[in-house]
Amino acid sequence: KAGVTQTPRYLIKTRGQQVTLSCSPISGHRSVSWYQQTPGQGLQFLFEYFSETQRNKGNFPGRFSGRQFSNSRSEMNVSTLELGDSALYLCASSLNGRDEKLFFGSGTQLSVL
Amino acid sequence: AQTVTQSQPEMSVQEAETVTLSCTYDTSESDYYLFWYKQPPSRQMILVIRQEAYKQQNATENRFSVNFQKAAKSFSLKISDSQLGDAAMYFCAYSPNTGNQFYFGTGTSLTVIP
Repeated sequence: KAGVTQTPRYLIKTRGQQVTLSCSPISGHRSVSWYQQTPGQGLQFLFEYFSETQRNKGNFPGRFSGRQFSNSRSEMNVSTLELGDSALYLCASSLNGRDEKLFFGSGTQLSVL
Repeated sequence: AQTVTQSQPEMSVQEAETVTLSCTYDTSESDYYLFWYKQPPSRQMILVIRQEAYKQQNATENRFSVNFQKAAKSFSLKISDSQLGDAAMYFCAYSPNTGNQFYFGTGTSLTVIP
């Protein structure tokens, strides 16, 4: 069974641009969540999608948005990039998203210059 | 607010020895789940062990075991017979029983010395 796939692995953008990150969950998993990982803050929850609906959202500005498609694949978008958005963005999937273990992808390393 | 604290930014252990990583958390919930995840240089987070708060018995997975003290809100990870492949960043995580939002600590970097 294929694991969680995130694309691209690396991304370099400049301030003010926007970016879209993609995540394909494990087949059969309907919950996809996103986390931002930075050296100082650790992992912080962005949002979780289940059956194409955002079910939970972390404390991030509206520039961070996401969506989930009918095949459970998810995208995360960040508009008007800031230097502080440089981070590793991790996607995780689980069957139903309730107290289950998460399966993580290898992340997308975003650098904002 | 739920918070997870890992007070040891770095730890080291000799190969074949035992090491304990500390984690404390703060919550007003009575039903929740606790996890330890490992992040090797490949960056992919891997589940090490999971504990259900309503279970008194400490979880064990091969060389990995936890010491779960619910009243003290403490959840430490013990790694026995440490191996070189155990070298990684270890994250403690908390998840309430009401959703799939995980709260992570800032991590402990474990070095295994040959």
